[in-house]
Amino acid sequence: NAGVTQTPKFQVLKTGQSMTLQCAQDMNHEYMSWYRQDPGMGLRLIHYSVGAGITDQGEVPNGYNVSRSTTEDFPLRLLSAAPSQTSVYFCASSYRWGNSGANVLTFGAGSRLTVL
Amino acid sequence: AQSVTQLDSHVSVSEGTPVLLRCNYSSSYSPSLFWYVQHPNKGLQLLLKYTSAATLVKGINGFEAEFKKSETSFHLTKPSAHMSDAAEYFCVVSDDYKLSFGAGTTVTVRA
Repeated sequence: NAGVTQTPKFQVLKTGQSMTLQCAQDMNHEYMSWYRQDPGMGLRLIHYSVGAGITDQGEVPNGYNVSRSTTEDFPLRLLSAAPSQTSVYFCASSYRWGNSGANVLTFGAGSRLTVL
Repeated sequence: AQSVTQLDSHVSVSEGTPVLLRCNYSSSYSPSLFWYVQHPNKGLQLLLKYTSAATLVKGINGFEAEFKKSETSFHLTKPSAHMSDAAEYFCVVSDDYKLSFGAGTTVTVRA
């Protein structure tokens, strides 16, 4: 059981380049999300999805795009990379989201992105 | 809107002494509250969660947290620190599909 798998682990981009961070989970989780982690700021939600075909914006969505064509995959696209997007990115998933108390996230190992 | 304030950015303790990490939250609803731990260069791992059941919540590795609605607090404690507890800890609040993370508290454990 692989859990949440993120690729690549490290990436260096030049300003203006585009790329996709991949996230896959094999737990049949409905809820998936992307966060960025910056020193002293905790984790901030970029986008999330409550099921295939459904996505919504989080706290810091600008400059990022997502889609959810399958339950397993939730890629994060950087459309035109900027130095401000240098960060560590985490994908996380959960079985479901609601008031039942099942809101426990499983995190991937992270992807470290540097934009020059 | 929801938010979390972790009152200490860094806590240093001696091995075998108690650990206290402080967290205050604000939420419009009855929130779910969590503590996550992140060891260096690793992803985040759930320590414990509060979802409106018992106000004293026990987690993994001897950690526990107490939900105090009147104080809007969810402080994390451990009676006796171990060297392996050195990590960054995040308090998290959720009252809908979005989670809000605190800025984190880095714990250093002295031998």
